[in-house]
Amino acid sequence: ETGVTQSPTHLIKTRGQQVTLRCSSQSGHNTVSWYQQALGQGPQFIFQYYKEEENGRGNFPPRFSGLQFPNYSSELNVNALELDDSALYLCASSLVDRNYGYTFGSGTRLTVV
Amino acid sequence: AQSVTQLGSHVSVSEGALVLLRCNYSSSVPPYLFWYVQYPNQGLQLLLKYTSAATLVKGINGFEAEFKKSETSFHLTKPSAHMRDAAEYFCAVSEQTGANNLFFGTGTRLTVIP
Repeated sequence: ETGVTQSPTHLIKTRGQQVTLRCSSQSGHNTVSWYQQALGQGPQFIFQYYKEEENGRGNFPPRFSGLQFPNYSSELNVNALELDDSALYLCASSLVDRNYGYTFGSGTRLTVV
Repeated sequence: AQSVTQLGSHVSVSEGALVLLRCNYSSSVPPYLFWYVQYPNQGLQLLLKYTSAATLVKGINGFEAEFKKSETSFHLTKPSAHMRDAAEYFCAVSEQTGANNLFFGTGTRLTVIP
């Protein structure tokens, strides 16, 4: 079975720019979540998508938005980048049954300068 | 509200010694509990999970954890540390009902001394 793949692995953006991060879910998984992991911290929940709709959101401003596509792939969009947005962004996919657990991708390292 | 506290941001053990990583949780409802491992420049890998079945949970790579409701703890143990166990370990909690997002602790970095 395929795992969760994220692209790109690294990127550098300038403050104020916009960025799109991409995620391909593990085969058969219908739920995708995004997490932000700042340096030296645990991951923080951004939002979750199920059936192409936002299914839960953490304490992140509206400039963080997402999409889930019919093939369960997903995008995370961040507008008006700030320096504090520099972090590792992790995508995690799962089945809607919460017993199943999550499969995480290797992440995208975003640096905002 | 869900939260996780991991006691000890850094733990060092000798190769072959017992590994004990501590995790305490706070939850207003019965939780699901997870341990994840993160190797440098990689994502998170699930070690084990507690989902209200057996309180002693066995995971991959020889790790296990015991759910103790009275102590609100879910400590991770391994009888004998190996060099390859050196990594960052995260404890996480989610609710059994409602939103199923994970709340992570701040992590414990495990160093294994040869």
